[in-house]
Amino acid sequence: EAGVTQFPSHSVIEKGQTVTLRCDPISGHDNLYWYRRVMGKEIKFLLHFVKESKQDESGMPNNRFLAERTGGTYSTLKVQPAELEDSGVYFCASQGPSEGYTFGSGTRLTVV
Amino acid sequence: QKEVEQNSGPLSVPEGAIASLNCTYSDRGSQSFFWYRQYSGKSPELIMFIYSNGDKEDGRFTAQLNKASQYVSLLIRDSQPSDSATYLCAVNPVRGGYQKVTFGTGTKLQVIP
Repeated sequence: EAGVTQFPSHSVIEKGQTVTLRCDPISGHDNLYWYRRVMGKEIKFLLHFVKESKQDESGMPNNRFLAERTGGTYSTLKVQPAELEDSGVYFCASQGPSEGYTFGSGTRLTVV
Repeated sequence: QKEVEQNSGPLSVPEGAIASLNCTYSDRGSQSFFWYRQYSGKSPELIMFIYSNGDKEDGRFTAQLNKASQYVSLLIRDSQPSDSATYLCAVNPVRGGYQKVTFGTGTKLQVIP
């Protein structure tokens, strides 16, 4: 079974630019989550998709962040325009019928 | 008060010893509890989950839950250098459902050969 794939693994962009992160969950997993870890802090929830629908987006920091999951397969998270405080590691996780998440390897975003 | 609290460590134990990792949570209604292991630069990996008060064993790992004290722990027996990692405690408000979990900041474990 292929795992959760995220890319890019690293991204360095300038403040004000746009970045799009992608996540391919495990095939057949309806539940997809985005989390973020800012340096020194805990991993924090951003949002949860069930198939193509946003189930919970209470963790999205502001309207500069836009997540989509077209067709209920892969998901994208766009940050536009990026700010310095958006730097961190963005994790995607998918969940199937059993408990617990399978995480992707994360995207390390650095905004300079 | 943080929702999920862990001592950041590092917790250093000699090889072969028992490592004890602790976590407290603030939401008394929490229903399911997870331990993830994260090697440096890698993604978190699920080790165990527990729902009910008491102990749950899986190989060298034992998760312990005390809902009255809002406390969950992870014991690692016969610690190996390969166990050196950051251990994340995570709490979910429901059991068996699909909800967001809340993570602690993690405890860094160092197993000394």
